[in-house]
Amino acid sequence: DAMVIQNPRYQVTQFGKPVTLSCSQTLNHNVMYWYQQKSSQAPKLLFHYYDKDFNNEADTPDNFQSRRPNTSFCFLDIRSPGLGDAAMYLCATSPDRVGQETQYFGPGTRLLVL
Amino acid sequence: AQSVSQHNHHVILSEAASLELGCNYSYGGTVNLFWYVQYPGQHLQLLLKYFSGDPLVKGIKGFEAEFIKSKFSFNLRKPSVQWSDTAEYFCAVKEGSGYNKLIFGAGTRLAVHP
Repeated sequence: DAMVIQNPRYQVTQFGKPVTLSCSQTLNHNVMYWYQQKSSQAPKLLFHYYDKDFNNEADTPDNFQSRRPNTSFCFLDIRSPGLGDAAMYLCATSPDRVGQETQYFGPGTRLLVL
Repeated sequence: AQSVSQHNHHVILSEAASLELGCNYSYGGTVNLFWYVQYPGQHLQLLLKYFSGDPLVKGIKGFEAEFIKSKFSFNLRKPSVQWSDTAEYFCAVKEGSGYNKLIFGAGTRLAVHP
């Protein structure tokens, strides 16, 4: 089945230690997104890619970076995680066609910062 | 800034009860509207969406939603819930023009008791 895959499902890191979360997709969608979801809150868009074009949300901290080496993979890098970065990180994809903008989500990676 | 409000954070129902979850958004222009569901331990899945046309939209598993433009609302309904509908429900809005950015509500946790 075509899907969005996120690894790992759970990630524990130490305060200030860089961490990378990964996302891959078999849907061949050219748009990929990273969301942060804290407990009991709405998912919040961090950034997205249209193909290789990176689009950062204005309020996304500089501590968060992303890479998309090819259509299938996208990475979220947190350079110096703080306690406030503990959250669920959701990857999503969508086709870039008018009327087809539905986003398809992966299962998420829950990040714990010690 | 555009925002999405979900009125109920927690809803508890018995099986066969009727369900209505409220969703209001703040954007005054053309919008695309979505309801996503997250079952325990699973990823966000699309329940239904509205882009244009008939404001009463039918989705999977017997859910429907009505877009009322004058009220900036997109309430989710189901006439008779089942235990398997226990999940968290998210309303999301995308501006009709511009890039594919979803603004999510904070979610409503539904618990259905047998």
